[in-house]
Amino acid sequence: KAGVTQTPRYLIKTRGQQVTLSCSPISGHRSVSWYQQTPGQGLQFLFEYFSETQRNKGNFPGRFSGRQFSNSRSEMNVSTLELGDSALYLCASSSSAGSTFEQYFGPGTRLTVT
Amino acid sequence: DAKTTQPPSMDCAEGRAANLPCNHSTISGNEYVYWYRQIHSQGPQYIIHGLKNNETNEMASLIITEDRKSSTLILPHATLRDTAVYYCIVSTRNTPLVFGKGTRLSVIA
Repeated sequence: KAGVTQTPRYLIKTRGQQVTLSCSPISGHRSVSWYQQTPGQGLQFLFEYFSETQRNKGNFPGRFSGRQFSNSRSEMNVSTLELGDSALYLCASSSSAGSTFEQYFGPGTRLTVT
Repeated sequence: DAKTTQPPSMDCAEGRAANLPCNHSTISGNEYVYWYRQIHSQGPQYIIHGLKNNETNEMASLIITEDRKSSTLILPHATLRDTAVYYCIVSTRNTPLVFGKGTRLSVIA
């Protein structure tokens, strides 16, 4: 069974731009969670979607948003990029609602903001 | 903030058991103990989880003390590929995972 895929794997953007990252969960998984990982703050939860509904949201500004489609694929968007948004963005999928069921992580998208 | 305390780093000889401790003295009755690991430049990988009883799967064993205030993850025969950061997480089934700094395990040949 194919794992979680994330596209693109690497991205370079300029301050003020916006970016959209994509995540395809494992087939049959309906829950998708997003995390940001930086050297200073570690792994931080962004949001979780289940059946196209946002179930949980982390403590991030409104510039960070996401959505989930009917096929469970998810996208996250960051608008008005700041230098501090440079990070590894990880997506994880799970077969059930609730972030703490066994989650399968993708390889991540490394975003660099210059 | 993470509800767990882990040593920042540990070494283990290849082929020996790696015992990774975790303190979670404020754990609530409905909170599970989860372990994930992250090998360099990869996404985290689920290892095991438990509520009260000890658990074992093909990757590891989880030993939870009777008072549930601490636990130990055991990798029975560590290999070089087990070198990673190991995260102990305490959470209910409906709240997001909160990752702390974890323990950096180095398996040495």
